[in-house]
Amino acid sequence: AQTVTQSQPEMSVQEAETVTLSCTYDTSESNYYLFWYKQPPSRQMILVIRQEAYKQQNATENRFSVNFQKAAKSFSLKISDSQLGDTAMYFCAFMKQGSNAGNMLTFGGGTRLMVKP
Amino acid sequence: DTGVSQDPRHKITKRGQNVTFRCDPISEHNRLYWYRQTLGQGPEFLTYFQNEAQLEKSRLLSDRFSAERPKGSFSTLEIQRTEQGDSAMYLCASSTAWTSGRTETQYFGPGTRLLVL
Repeated sequence: AQTVTQSQPEMSVQEAETVTLSCTYDTSESNYYLFWYKQPPSRQMILVIRQEAYKQQNATENRFSVNFQKAAKSFSLKISDSQLGDTAMYFCAFMKQGSNAGNMLTFGGGTRLMVKP
Repeated sequence: DTGVSQDPRHKITKRGQNVTFRCDPISEHNRLYWYRQTLGQGPEFLTYFQNEAQLEKSRLLSDRFSAERPKGSFSTLEIQRTEQGDSAMYLCASSTAWTSGRTETQYFGPGTRLLVL
């Protein structure tokens, strides 16, 4: 079984600054995917960024980037130039790579990020 | 692409009553997942369908819970004899099956918030 741990229950950052959210995971799988999802207050969960474990290059999506350290089983999210709209719960999630089997997501407990003006 | 929709968005019921939730996935998505999210926590997997077949169920899914996906389109999740511990957000997600070179990504609906009094 996989476990995902987010050690920062809450964080805050000033608008326009950079913040990094931490995530560690435990698995015996060698092929898997990692995701960061964002859940704004009272709104639905949306995908922020994803990383394939077999890729050494860290994924980036505009202001969002990850630092994927496979040996350390670490997957942190960096948000640059923080905006007020980034205020949300952020969840790190793990998915085994599969073909015919379903691939459930295993989520961490979340980090509540507040962006301050 | 109209996204994943869920109905109702909110449900208040009395302990012992039965409730049913509906999820309409993104069209052409053949995989459908149900998750449960309690306040301040990450979502937890409940069950998964590929087309109309229910292929996996979590231990969290007690005998009082049943899910269906007739004809491989929309899905329903029914809770019989509700208990106060069933109060949570019930999330639905859909995706297409993993194919070589493509990452399976789950897209979430807005959720149904259940309160059992």
